Amino acid sequence: GAGVSQSPSNKVTEKGKDVELRCDPISGHTALYWYRQSLGQGLEFLIYFQGNSAPDKSGLPSDRFSAERTGGSVSTLTIQRTQQEDSAVYLCASSFLSGGENNEQFFGPGTRLTVL
Amino acid sequence: ILNVEQSPQSLHVQEGDSTNFTCSFPSSNFYALHWYRWETAKSPEALFVMTLNGDEKKKGRISATLNTKEGYSYLYIKGSQPEDSATYLCAFMAYNQGGKLIFGQGTELSVKP
Repeated sequence: GAGVSQSPSNKVTEKGKDVELRCDPISGHTALYWYRQSLGQGLEFLIYFQGNSAPDKSGLPSDRFSAERTGGSVSTLTIQRTQQEDSAVYLCASSFLSGGENNEQFFGPGTRLTVL
Repeated sequence: ILNVEQSPQSLHVQEGDSTNFTCSFPSSNFYALHWYRWETAKSPEALFVMTLNGDEKKKGRISATLNTKEGYSYLYIKGSQPEDSATYLCAFMAYNQGGKLIFGQGTELSVKP
């Protein structure tokens, strides 16, 4: 089957604009994660969804960032009033369940966001 | 703050060399340790998910060990090949934190023919 897909693959925007990044997880995966990698930094956790539970938003860097997951499948990460420090590669991942030995995370190809 | 450290930051080896990297993580509240391989222009790909102290896992020429009591994991590559060139990431999952992974900065491996 298809892997995790993300769109767009690249996004260039002007400072102050809002952007939406989309993630389609692997069908049947109940857990969905967003990470980002800024230049010179490691992968940073942003937010995590597990089934119908309240999402873990502990990694969101500011209240300009929000995410939702509709119908337990597709997720959208929204960044309002983008700033230059938001420029990064945003990665989405999904897994069958959260945690556990067999629950490796499957990553999408990422969205490269550039804020001018 | 949970800290995951990887060393070395980068490594350049010749084809055929064997090599190893280190990942250190908090020894308390341990749940799982993941290793991923991230090639340029591709998605990170899981190599191993390890949960038991003393566990050793192997996939082809790549193997990993885990010591949860002292908080470290080693990744070994035997007989490196140019196609092994990638960034190798380890990620720590704490108990009762759901699936949240805390990643290290990665070790960038370059294998020259």
